[in-house]
Amino acid sequence: GAGVSQSPRYKVAKRGQDVALRCDPISGHVSLFWYQQALGQGPEFLTYFQNEAQLDKSGLPSDRFFAERPEGSVSTLKIQRTQQEDSAVYLCATSEVSGANVLTFGAGSRLTVL
Amino acid sequence: AQSVTQPDIHITVSEGASLELRCNYSYGATPYLFWYVQSPGQGLQLLLKYFSGDTLVQGIKGFEAEFKRSQSSFNLRKPSVHWSDAAEYFCAVGTANYQLIWGAGTKLIIKP
Repeated sequence: GAGVSQSPRYKVAKRGQDVALRCDPISGHVSLFWYQQALGQGPEFLTYFQNEAQLDKSGLPSDRFFAERPEGSVSTLKIQRTQQEDSAVYLCATSEVSGANVLTFGAGSRLTVL
Repeated sequence: AQSVTQPDIHITVSEGASLELRCNYSYGATPYLFWYVQSPGQGLQLLLKYFSGDTLVQGIKGFEAEFKRSQSSFNLRKPSVHWSDAAEYFCAVGTANYQLIWGAGTKLIIKP
């Protein structure tokens, strides 16, 4: 597609529910990043894929967070047993080269945990 | 520690006036520097970037930024703002291991 597509755009979850957020990157983009953006803050790094390999997951806040990109294209960020502090906008960004030099961002998935 | 500081949470300027948004960074090596803009409901869009060379870089939408190593700054400027420039602006530093370190953002408000 022409841009990075994220779905759902909005998700409301009850505390304890599992959620899955999807990112469809620009075709052929090698690098894929997930960021978490809390209200009034800049994005915070969660994880980085180069093709299907997850090269860095140091930013995932707990073992309730899991990300995958099995075929090097679509990626899913899964949050298990959601907590209120997980409420944020989750941003996906991709790049046609390795690294974060020039990123194209999706519009984000806004998660609200009640 | 690596960090990016955007000292102004909000800035209000009149339409047609000039704009300068401040960004200071702390990073041990020569940084890659970026400015992104985020409009409501939109993804972050790259305005401009500095990797090396000329320290005054031009970006989209009439924006420019100047890298000043001695001041560890990368301030964003525009000579005349338009109402459509109202948005949140983020400065970021790219590190050697591909991560971006982001400032907290500056919200630009345009007065008619």
